[in-house]
Amino acid sequence: QVQLVQSGAEVKKPGASVKVSCKASGYTFTSYGITWVRQAPGQGLEWMGWVSTYNTNTNYAQKFQGRVTMTTDTSTSTAYMELRSLRSDDTAVYYCARDGGTFDPWGQGTLVIVSS
Amino acid sequence: QSVLTQPPSASGTPGQRVTISCSGSSSNIGSNTGNWYQQLPGTAPKLLIYSNNQRPSGVPDRFSGSKSGTSASLAISGLQSEDEADYYCAAWDDSLNAWVFGGGTKLTVL
Repeated sequence: QVQLVQSGAEVKKPGASVKVSCKASGYTFTSYGITWVRQAPGQGLEWMGWVSTYNTNTNYAQKFQGRVTMTTDTSTSTAYMELRSLRSDDTAVYYCARDGGTFDPWGQGTLVIVSS
Repeated sequence: QSVLTQPPSASGTPGQRVTISCSGSSSNIGSNTGNWYQQLPGTAPKLLIYSNNQRPSGVPDRFSGSKSGTSASLAISGLQSEDEADYYCAAWDDSLNAWVFGGGTKLTVL
């Protein structure tokens, strides 16, 4: 079955970087893009951006431009999201999702805590 | 402040029909299709409705979607206790060149 499995929880200090992975299985990886969405504690969903698994094109939400990098490794069917210069308000669950015009399915989420 | 506007909460009793609205603008729902996601407590979101009114395989026909102008709606008929969840609408925004979400609606089954 189609599945996205994300890396485990992370605790980072302010100013550090975090890199979350998202390993896909059950479908042809390069046939769909990967979208990243985050959810702060008790808050709603926030779209961060999209990466093409076919040609590595990206489209980042303006809020994250300059601070986020989304990449893929087609040899392992894995997508990555790196967020730099972390602040306390970056504390959230980060989700990847297969993107074919809809977000389906989603990974299980990766909790990133930013705390000194 | 979300680009798409949803009521923060909704409720109903088992068997009832409830609707959740999602108000947008000409640059998002007005010119693109809307999708709905269901997030059960403590889990990742799941695609519920796409292209305004299409159900993915496995989604019960109790769930239906519609769109009119710059607004979308999700209807749940024959409400069940397992429908208690957060519901989010989403659409592509041509002006922002980004996907936008509603703030989410927490559905309580009384």
